[in-house]
Amino acid sequence: GQSLEQPSEVTAVEGAIVQINCTYQTSGFYGLSWYQQHDGGAPTFLSYNALDGLEETGRFSSFLSRSDSYGYLLLQELQMKDSASYFCAVRDRGANNLFFGTGTRLTVIP
Amino acid sequence: DSGVTQTPKHLITATGQRVTLRCSPRSGDLSVYWYQQSLDQGLQFLIQYYNGEERAKGNILERFSAQQFPDLHSELNLSSLELGDSALYFCASSDERGVTDTQYFGPGTRLTVL
Repeated sequence: GQSLEQPSEVTAVEGAIVQINCTYQTSGFYGLSWYQQHDGGAPTFLSYNALDGLEETGRFSSFLSRSDSYGYLLLQELQMKDSASYFCAVRDRGANNLFFGTGTRLTVIP
Repeated sequence: DSGVTQTPKHLITATGQRVTLRCSPRSGDLSVYWYQQSLDQGLQFLIQYYNGEERAKGNILERFSAQQFPDLHSELNLSSLELGDSALYFCASSDERGVTDTQYFGPGTRLTVL
């Protein structure tokens, strides 16, 4: 089986930096993905890490440590529009499907 | 706009009824995935089709079924509906046969069972 843990809620100030952590347990790990979902909207792919280290895409970065079964999403220069839910997801080799965490609701305040 | 379309946007029905949700993948994508998202829950994978064939199955109830047609659009059929089936149902597509981490999601169908 697989499990993912991420904080349920995070609040941060506009312009600041926020880190959303994700720990996972899965058999046959391929990689860790991050998706963003605004209220009432569709999930949107943000990033993917298959190897240890940091991947940067604009204001968003994602980190993976395979030895620690841990990753995080880093959002810099926060904007109000970043208020959304962020899901980490793993690909499970045994079940051959993408398994999502329950999401972290990020609220950006002025 | 991901290029994935889903109809209808909203569906309200009664317990015991049967509904069909429709999804058209992005142009060129052969894989279609169905997910269920209940209130304050993550996305639960239901089923995947690739080029008309079932590829992977998740936590899909026996009352639910799906298919992918030759034109690659897909339908999710939900029958003997229960109150607990009320949820957002998303379809996603990708151009790969295996599971891919980059999936493009449609806008979803919000199902309300009364």
